[in-house]
Amino acid sequence: KAGVTQTPRYLIKTRGQQVTLSCSPISGHRSVSWYQQTPGQGLQFLFEYFSETQRNKGNFPGRFSGRQFSNSRSEMNVSTLELGDSALYLCASSSSQGWYEQYFGPGTRLTVT
Amino acid sequence: AQTVTQSQPEMSVQEAETVTLSCTYDTSESDYYLFWYKQPPSRQMILVIRQEAYKQQNATENRFSVNFQKAAKSFSLKISDSQLGDAAMYFCAYRSDYYNNNDMRFGAGTRLTVKP
Repeated sequence: KAGVTQTPRYLIKTRGQQVTLSCSPISGHRSVSWYQQTPGQGLQFLFEYFSETQRNKGNFPGRFSGRQFSNSRSEMNVSTLELGDSALYLCASSSSQGWYEQYFGPGTRLTVT
Repeated sequence: AQTVTQSQPEMSVQEAETVTLSCTYDTSESDYYLFWYKQPPSRQMILVIRQEAYKQQNATENRFSVNFQKAAKSFSLKISDSQLGDAAMYFCAYRSDYYNNNDMRFGAGTRLTVKP
């Protein structure tokens, strides 16, 4: 099976812009979670989607949003980018049977200038 | 809220030797899962090993094994016969078995260096 894929891999944006990141889970996986990874804060949970519904949400401002499509692909959007949003954004998927175990994608490296 | 603590920011091991990475967690729950993930430099996060809290037997995956002490809330990772390819950031993670608020919580990570 193909692993979790994320596009784009690298992105440079300017403060105030918005950005959309995409994640394709492992085939058959219906749960997708998003994480922000920074040197200072480590890995922080953003949100989780299951069957197109947001199931859990982390402690991030409303500028961070996401959605999941019927094919389980997920997107996350960050509006009004701030310098502090520069990070590696990781997507992880899990199956219904092994829901507790997550498989990560390579991440999208976002740089905000 | 559940928290995961990795008290060793950096560790070093000689090739072919054994190293143990520490992890403690704080929870009031009885059912949960614990994980060790490996993140090589500029590469993808990989699941190394998983432990279900209801299992008393420690999980083992080839050269990787854990020492799970539920009462002490401790979950250490032992890497035997260390190889150069083991060099990476290692993250300990906790996930509740309850439906709500069961996002995965990660420790700050331990950077492992393997010396030839």
